[in-house]
Amino acid sequence: DARVTQTPRHKVTEMGQEVTMRCQPILGHNTVFWYRQTMMQGLELLAYFRNRAPLDDSGMPKDRFSAEMPDATLATLKIQPSEPRDSAVYFCASARAGGRGEKLFFGSGTQLSVL
Amino acid sequence: RKEVEQDPGPFNVPEGATVAFNCTYSNSASQSFFWYRQDCRKEPKLLMSVYSSGNEDGRFTAQLNRASQYISLLIRDSKLSDSATYLCVDSGGSNYKLTFGKGTLLTVNP
Repeated sequence: DARVTQTPRHKVTEMGQEVTMRCQPILGHNTVFWYRQTMMQGLELLAYFRNRAPLDDSGMPKDRFSAEMPDATLATLKIQPSEPRDSAVYFCASARAGGRGEKLFFGSGTQLSVL
Repeated sequence: RKEVEQDPGPFNVPEGATVAFNCTYSNSASQSFFWYRQDCRKEPKLLMSVYSSGNEDGRFTAQLNRASQYISLLIRDSKLSDSATYLCVDSGGSNYKLTFGKGTLLTVNP
C-alpha cells in the first residue's frame, strides 16, 4: 500500500530550538498539505502546495514557520524558534488533484512537544 | 461564521442504534465534501465522499443540502468499531483548499 511517510514520529525539544519535520508524499500525488491538530483548534491548515508551488500558507505564523518542497518526493515544515504553544500533532497529507475535489491520504503525524 | 462547523458531541449510543451528524459550511462555491474518520491518536482516514445529493456505502449514508449549506452523515446499525471522531471536510471550491471541522466524537456502547 502506498503511504505518506512522516518523520520523526515524536519530537521533544526545548523552547527556542529549531524543529524540522519531513514528509514523503505518495508517488504521483501532486498536492501536499500540512495540518496542525490540537484539542482546542482541531485540524488547522498551515500550508499546501500544488506541483511543488505554494498555493496558500495563510494559516502559518510566518515569523517562525516555513514550509518548502525542495522536490516532488519531499516536503518540509520548519519551526524556528519553537515555542511551547507549538506543541501539537503535525500531519502531512497528499492527494492527486482531480476535478471534483481531492481525497487526502494522511501520514501518521509528528507529535511535537516543546518544553 | 466558521468555515466548517460540527457539533462536537460526544454522542453516546448503544450498539445497533442509528445516529446522524450534521455539518454546516460557509463557502457557497464549494463543490464537494468528505467525511473522514479519526481514531484516537491516529491519522484521519477517508470514510465517504459527497459530490452531489448524496452517497451511500453499506451502513453509512452521506447527504448534501446545498440550499441550507449542510451535509449529514447517517450511521445505521452502529457497531462498537464505529466509535471514533468524525470529521467533516469542505473541498473549498476551485482552489481545493480542504478545510476540516473540529469533529464529532461518537462512542458506541455495548
